[in-house]
Amino acid sequence: DAGITQSPRHKVTETGTPVTLRCHQTENHRYMYWYRQDPGHGLRLIHYSYGVKDTDKGEVSDGYSVSRSKTEDFLLTLESATSSQTSVYFCAISAETVDTQYFGPGTRLTVL
Amino acid sequence: AQSVTQPDIHITVSEGASLELRCNYSYGATPYLFWYVQSPGQGLQLLLKYFSGDTLVQGIKGFEAEFKRSQSSFNLRKPSVHWSDAAEYFCAVGGSTAGNKLTFGGGTRVLVKP
Repeated sequence: DAGITQSPRHKVTETGTPVTLRCHQTENHRYMYWYRQDPGHGLRLIHYSYGVKDTDKGEVSDGYSVSRSKTEDFLLTLESATSSQTSVYFCAISAETVDTQYFGPGTRLTVL
Repeated sequence: AQSVTQPDIHITVSEGASLELRCNYSYGATPYLFWYVQSPGQGLQLLLKYFSGDTLVQGIKGFEAEFKRSQSSFNLRKPSVHWSDAAEYFCAVGGSTAGNKLTFGGGTRVLVKP
């Protein structure tokens, strides 16, 4: 299995609070991705990174920001959490721009 | 825009029977196609992928998939299902014009009857 960890694995928070999720990889892969998974929608891309300090938006980026200051870490921040952001969040990595993506174990976030 | 449709939300199959999961995609160039499996509470595991070449692709756990360009399909099959195959299966499409941004289908949940 690819060396990907996500923290925390579970989090419950209240509407309006900031939340940061962390993805850490030990594979030295260039590309990192954040997805959210909701029933009936599969996985939808939030943001992705193609290198340190290089990030771009996915299809559902509103309300989320990301940062990547080191190759191994990719942070997802909800500036002010809303109930619609209750979801399971997955991080993924890939070595090249067109390549298999490997997924982390996920973070279950509940916004009350 | 690229898209993936998995027409079957749930499928129930008896252990030992064959399984076929449907996947239809829309993509403007040569697609890269993936099947992932997700067991309850787990992350996604790659079953197989198609980038080019032979249109019949073999994967792990005895699964295979066939790319049919004329039908824009990439259906997943297994000849004989085991109870451990109960999971949710996701088809995804990406490609060079999308910068490897994958688009996933909504998933098919497979239940296996003893």
